[in-house]
Amino acid sequence: EIVMTQSPATLSVSPGERATLSCRASQSVSSNLAWYQQKPGQAPRLLIYGASTRATGIPARFSGSGSGTEFTLTISSLQSEDFAVYYCQQYNNWPLFGGGTKVEIK
Amino acid sequence: QLQLQESGPGLVKPSETLSLTCTVSGGSISSSSYYWGWIRQPPGKGLEWIGSIYYSGSTYYNPSLKSRVTISVDTSKNQFSLKLSSVTAADTAVYYCASYRQVVGAAFDYWGQGTLVTVSS
Repeated sequence: EIVMTQSPATLSVSPGERATLSCRASQSVSSNLAWYQQKPGQAPRLLIYGASTRATGIPARFSGSGSGTEFTLTISSLQSEDFAVYYCQQYNNWPLFGGGTKVEIK
Repeated sequence: QLQLQESGPGLVKPSETLSLTCTVSGGSISSSSYYWGWIRQPPGKGLEWIGSIYYSGSTYYNPSLKSRVTISVDTSKNQFSLKLSSVTAADTAVYYCASYRQVVGAAFDYWGQGTLVTVSS
């Protein structure tokens, strides 16, 4: 069974700074990896699919990279609206989410 | 632009069956382009995929829930439904319906707002 591990659990970042979030799969998921943003009381929003393709309407400051077992979500310059919880999800077989990374204001 | 909306009881008794419906608007549930799914999130915790269905009726379930889950589709009403049997307090969660494009794979691009279901006597 695949295990998805996200790190760090919490990331403290100042507005305007770069944020780098990691997601690791216990076995290869190829490029079948998505990233979501979730704010309190809201449904998750798809940011990235196919490990690196931005979903419709997602700003260019969000970028995804990686393949196989190691993946990264980078937010190039954090805006106030980017403080949220981020989840990775593999869909190489049945969908499985990571535990999430909370990006908070430093 | 697809819109999804969950509906169903907010309170279910232990050992009973949880039943939710997702109504799709802005597109046809019979579209060959989309799969439809259910995802849940216990309060303060992460996301768990429950299962997915194609308009043809083909279903895919989380192995950890498979024995208790049934997902069905009603093309005449543009709805799909979730039934989860023998619920316990551990099934208390916000339940989301969502969709993903067949050509992309199970990256869920449209979501309902979610509905909180509490399991309690």
